[in-house]
Amino acid sequence: KNEVEQSPQNLTAQEGEFITINCSYSVGISALHWLQQHPGGGIVSLFMLSSGKKKHGRLIATINIQEKHSSLHITASHPRDSAVYICAVISTSGTYKYIFGTGTRLKVLA
Amino acid sequence: DAGITQSPRHKVTETGTPVTLRCHQTENHRYMYWYRQDPGHGLRLIHYSYGVKDTDKGEVSDGYSVSRSKTEDFLLTLESATSSQTSVYFCAISERQGAYSNQPQHFGDGTRLSIL
Repeated sequence: KNEVEQSPQNLTAQEGEFITINCSYSVGISALHWLQQHPGGGIVSLFMLSSGKKKHGRLIATINIQEKHSSLHITASHPRDSAVYICAVISTSGTYKYIFGTGTRLKVLA
Repeated sequence: DAGITQSPRHKVTETGTPVTLRCHQTENHRYMYWYRQDPGHGLRLIHYSYGVKDTDKGEVSDGYSVSRSKTEDFLLTLESATSSQTSVYFCAISERQGAYSNQPQHFGDGTRLSIL
């Protein structure tokens, strides 16, 4: 079982829909990082959070440390949001380690 | 975003040839990382560096070597490329490392490497 699991793996939505991407992890962490990767593109940092909630524009990220779960929400989705969203955790066990999920591929249709 | 340049961006080569990928940063960050990205896997760490001439292995280091002779450059070398090394390679940098430093890693645009 992967230490960081994302769901769903693939998601297709209509423009304007509210989208939720989930990330669950099984290790102790000090922070969680949400990243975005457009097709054929580089990887861009969205949020790093260790508690509570962060918001930037139409993106909201939340984390529940006790439940070992984080969500990334996109409000009023747009075709330009189509990308792979990657969850990564900074593990506190052993040597410092960034552990990545396999990503959620989002496609937003106009 | 962070000043990270990977070169080349695309490369096609043949099995058995040596390949060197370059990562150049303008942020003066101490830590640099090489990852590979393959379908069905999260990003996997190949090697990382914690200073000039200081490097360590990651989880998938077999078949790869690295060098860092200057703060700004981190090279990844495939001494004798194999088809299993066909992948997208990402370089990342961070200011600090440590479980509670909570320093994000910043990524380059990737190098798409095909080995035929």
